[in-house]
Amino acid sequence: NAGVMQNPRHLVRRRGQEARLRCSPVKGHSHVYWYRQLPEEGLKFMVYLQKENIIDESGMPKERFSAEFPKEGPSILRIQQVVRGDSAAYFCASSPSGRGTEAFFGQGTRLTVV
Amino acid sequence: GQNIDQPTEMTATEGAIVQINCTYQTSGFNGLFWYQQHAGEAPTFLSYNVLDGLEEKGRFSSFLSRSKGYSYLLLKELQMKDSASYLCAVRDGEAAGNKLTFGGGTRVLVKP
Repeated sequence: NAGVMQNPRHLVRRRGQEARLRCSPVKGHSHVYWYRQLPEEGLKFMVYLQKENIIDESGMPKERFSAEFPKEGPSILRIQQVVRGDSAAYFCASSPSGRGTEAFFGQGTRLTVV
Repeated sequence: GQNIDQPTEMTATEGAIVQINCTYQTSGFNGLFWYQQHAGEAPTFLSYNVLDGLEEKGRFSSFLSRSKGYSYLLLKELQMKDSASYLCAVRDGEAAGNKLTFGGGTRVLVKP
């Protein structure tokens, strides 16, 4: 029973390039949450998705960032034209219904923009 | 929105007890979570409180008072491996998507 799988674990991009982060939720989970963690800080909510729908994107910057969770395949967080300030750890969490007693976190993708 | 406060850092001795406090002001509440996070790793679930009172799970206990907007995580018989960040998180109500809002985390350093 695999947990939340994120890839890649580490991603290096030059300024101006695109970053694509993937998250495969726990099998059977239809709710996915993306969080960003800057060094020495807590996790900040970015976006909440259910299959094929964005439910809440209030924490996601309006420019350059987008997310999707298609009917088939993983959830994707896409960052266009990356800047140094995008360097962070990006965590994905999944839950079966949003009402569970815990959300399962992936190992995260550490994005470094050089 | 949610506002969650917890101390930045705490130091304790191996074998001792440490209590990490968390206060919150929220517009919705559907449970309070504690996570442990070692450096460079993912948060791992420790406890969940939705009703007032104490939840005990081995060496870790968590307490909630909804009327006071207050929770604490109690770590007993501290071990060196307990050195980590401890994250307090409040879950929004269902109408707001059940998302978790995290505090900044408390870094606990266990000394021999």
